[in-house]
Amino acid sequence: AQSVTQLGSHVSVSEGALVLLRCNYSSSVPPYLFWYVQYPNQGLQLLLKYTTGATLVKGINGFEAEFKKSETSFHLTKPSAHMSDAAEYFCAVTTRGGYQKVTFGTGTKLQVIP
Amino acid sequence: DAGVTQSPTHLIKTRGQQVTLRCSPKSGHDTVSWYQQALGQGPQFIFQYYEEEERQRGNFPDRFSGHQFPNYSSELNVNALLLGDSALYLCASSLAAGGGDEQYFGPGTRLTVT
Repeated sequence: AQSVTQLGSHVSVSEGALVLLRCNYSSSVPPYLFWYVQYPNQGLQLLLKYTTGATLVKGINGFEAEFKKSETSFHLTKPSAHMSDAAEYFCAVTTRGGYQKVTFGTGTKLQVIP
Repeated sequence: DAGVTQSPTHLIKTRGQQVTLRCSPKSGHDTVSWYQQALGQGPQFIFQYYEEEERQRGNFPDRFSGHQFPNYSSELNVNALLLGDSALYLCASSLAAGGGDEQYFGPGTRLTVT
């Protein structure tokens, strides 16, 4: 079984401030982890993913995330928030070696204050 | 290169009716997954199709059924609609290489059941 917990359904940051969105996962086998972004009335776009190898993963739009096995976490960060980052962010997990049943978290809505 | 397309964009149905949603995968992809995203929630996995067969299924009743055609496009059918079926239905396509491969999402179909 696999699950994802996103801490904080809403996060507000000032423009230029650090963005930190938290994600913890549960998986009985080594996971693949993803962060997706969803803009209003649109589908999901992949920001970044962790499969194997380097635990610090860089994605699009300046985002990055670090896989920490000991903490079962995969937090998303960006050094400096931009107004265009305002959207909803979803953390997701799937398991290696199996079919691509992806389990999503409940999402974190990011507000960027000018 | 066209991405994942879905039709229709919006749909309004009455309780008890049946609905069919359509999805065309990204060029070169052979696997289609369907998700239901209720308002304020993360996407929930409905099922996945590969080689015209349902490969995996989430925790959804038999009222939800699907089909995949030889050209890899897919349909999602929902019978005996309930008010609770109102949601954004997302289609995602990928290659059948197992977990870790990116799923490309379409813009979704917004279903409203009255």
